[in-house]
Order: sequence, then structure tokens, then C-alpha cells
Amino acid sequence: EDQVTQSPEALRLQEGESSSLNCSYTVSGLRGLFWYRQDPGKGPEFLFTLYSAGEEKEKERLKATLTKKESFLHITAPKPEDSATYLCAVQRYNFNKFYFGSGTKLNVKP
Amino acid sequence: NAGVMQNPRHLVRRRGQEARLRCSPMKGHSHVYWYRQLPEEGLKFMVYLQKENIIDESGMPKERFSAEFPKEGPSILRIQQVVRGDSAAYFCASSPVGLNTGELFFGEGSRLTVL
Repeated sequence: EDQVTQSPEALRLQEGESSSLNCSYTVSGLRGLFWYRQDPGKGPEFLFTLYSAGEEKEKERLKATLTKKESFLHITAPKPEDSATYLCAVQRYNFNKFYFGSGTKLNVKP
Repeated sequence: NAGVMQNPRHLVRRRGQEARLRCSPMKGHSHVYWYRQLPEEGLKFMVYLQKENIIDESGMPKERFSAEFPKEGPSILRIQQVVRGDSAAYFCASSPVGLNTGELFFGEGSRLTVL
């Protein structure tokens, strides 16, 4: 069965303290891996799509990378407004649904 | 340029009542997905619909739950005879075509509380 595991469950950082979030996956025939940001009481907001091992995507202070078994979301010099839950999801070829991890709740203190 | 619209945002029902959640996809999107999220958990797939068709309902409980996406109007997720375990946030997402082209666009969710 497809599995997506995110770690850590929660992460507290000081403003400016860089770190990484991990998404490990087990899926047959990965078509894509997706990162979303979710603020409390809101719907998930799309961040990145990664399709193949070695691929990297960047957006402001965030950089997502992909290997054959896991993906990392690197946060460089985070700010308090980066506080949110970050969700990872995978999609298999010829399947119409995403499998989501439980998320990492990031709290950045000023 | 409205995004995915869900209503109601909050719904309170007593056990045994019915809940109806509505979702209007983004303009130009004809594919709708429903997900359920329990507190502190990830999103669980429920059902995928195109206009007038259910494509994949493998995540939908066999009883009490149904979904539709009529030719005209919003997609509706219907939960009959609600129980406390149905309390959750229900998210709708849409895409312009099938998921072979990229990301889903999510609504703000409908939060169901069953008393």
C-alpha cells in the first residue's frame, strides 16, 4: 500500500534558523510528489511539484528536493509568516488521487 | 477570479441528521475531488468526480455517504444519519483536467461538527 510519512510532526525554529522537513514515501510508479502549505482553518495551498529524482524547485525561502525514496523541504532563514503546516502528497501513474502525509507543523518564533 | 468555493464553512448537526456540503470548482475546472481531514491528521481521499460521473469513490465509506457533480450547479457531498465520527473538515479540490497535469486547487473547507 502507498505510504507517505512526514517528519518531524512538529518543528519550532527561531527566526533565521534554517532547517529541513522530510517526506518519505513508498509508492509504486511515482508520477509526482507535491508540497502544500496549510494555514489554520484554511485549505491547502500548492507550493511545488517534483517529478523525478534529482529535481529541485525553489520559491522564496523554500526549496524542495526529491530522491527515489524521499523529499526534503528546506527552509532558509525562516520568518514568522512561514509558520504553517506543510503537507506532502504523492500521486501514482494512472491514479486519480493523492496520498497525503500527516504534515509537519512549523512554528517560527520571532 | 474566484477560487474553489465551499459552503457552508461551518455546519453543526445532531446525530442522525443529514449534512450536505457544496463545492463550486474554479472556473474552467471540470474535475472535483473530496478529501476529509481529521484533527492533526493528513487529508484522506474520498471521491473523484467529473461532470455527471463518479470516476473513483474508493475512499468513500460504503454507507451513508454519497457524492454528485451534476451538469449544472455545484458538487455535493451528502452524509446521511451523521454520527460523531463524521466530525471533520471536508475539503473540495478541483483541477482543469485529470491529475496528469499537475496540482489540485483546494477550497477553504467545510467543518462539520456532530453533536
